[in-house]
Amino acid sequence: DTAVSQTPKYLVTQMGNDKSIKCEQNLGHDTMYWYKQDSKKFLKIMFSYNNKELIINETVPNRFSPKSPDKAHLNLHINSLELGDSAVYFCASSQPGLAVPGELFFGEGSRLTVL
Amino acid sequence: AQTVTQSQPEMSVQEAETVTLSCTYDTSESDYYLFWYKQPPSRQMILVIRQEAYKQQNATENRFSVNFQKAAKSFSLKISDSQLGDAAMYFCAYGGGSQGNLIFGKGTKLSVKP
Repeated sequence: DTAVSQTPKYLVTQMGNDKSIKCEQNLGHDTMYWYKQDSKKFLKIMFSYNNKELIINETVPNRFSPKSPDKAHLNLHINSLELGDSAVYFCASSQPGLAVPGELFFGEGSRLTVL
Repeated sequence: AQTVTQSQPEMSVQEAETVTLSCTYDTSESDYYLFWYKQPPSRQMILVIRQEAYKQQNATENRFSVNFQKAAKSFSLKISDSQLGDAAMYFCAYGGGSQGNLIFGKGTKLSVKP
């Protein structure tokens, strides 16, 4: 059983389209994240949810909207896709302690290509 | 704000040899964790090793060990007896505070020569 699973793994679409990436974790973790890895391999946090509540919202265009229907799921919807949105999007989960973070468990990544 | 710096964009090592990847970080917090993640061409992010800042003893996982220098804010990864399967991007990451997210360095691409 995959701990953190993302779908789809690959996504090719045209500029201006709307697309979604889904993420599910079966680890029982309270916190889930979306990270973006650009073409230079740089990983940057986009959003974080703790038990369905948004706790981190980095400087991300409002075309990106995360949704957490329950603590095991965190989906990412992107409107009006642009060329610069092409990247690998990673979902992750963790069980932070009271004062320090735990290990991040990553999904396999979703490679988005905008043409 | 916390930052993580990996000054070696690329490194190369001969199979069976030892290589050390560098990482420095900046923080004003006293409690935090440090991690090394490996990303092979499959792009899966795999935890290699982690270090709790309050522990003076350096973490070790089989062929992987760290040299944690808290005062110098340095966290290097040593890979002994390098294997072809160690070829990957290696990311150093900092985690502190209650929010749980990790801050990543820009990565070091490790090549292993047979």
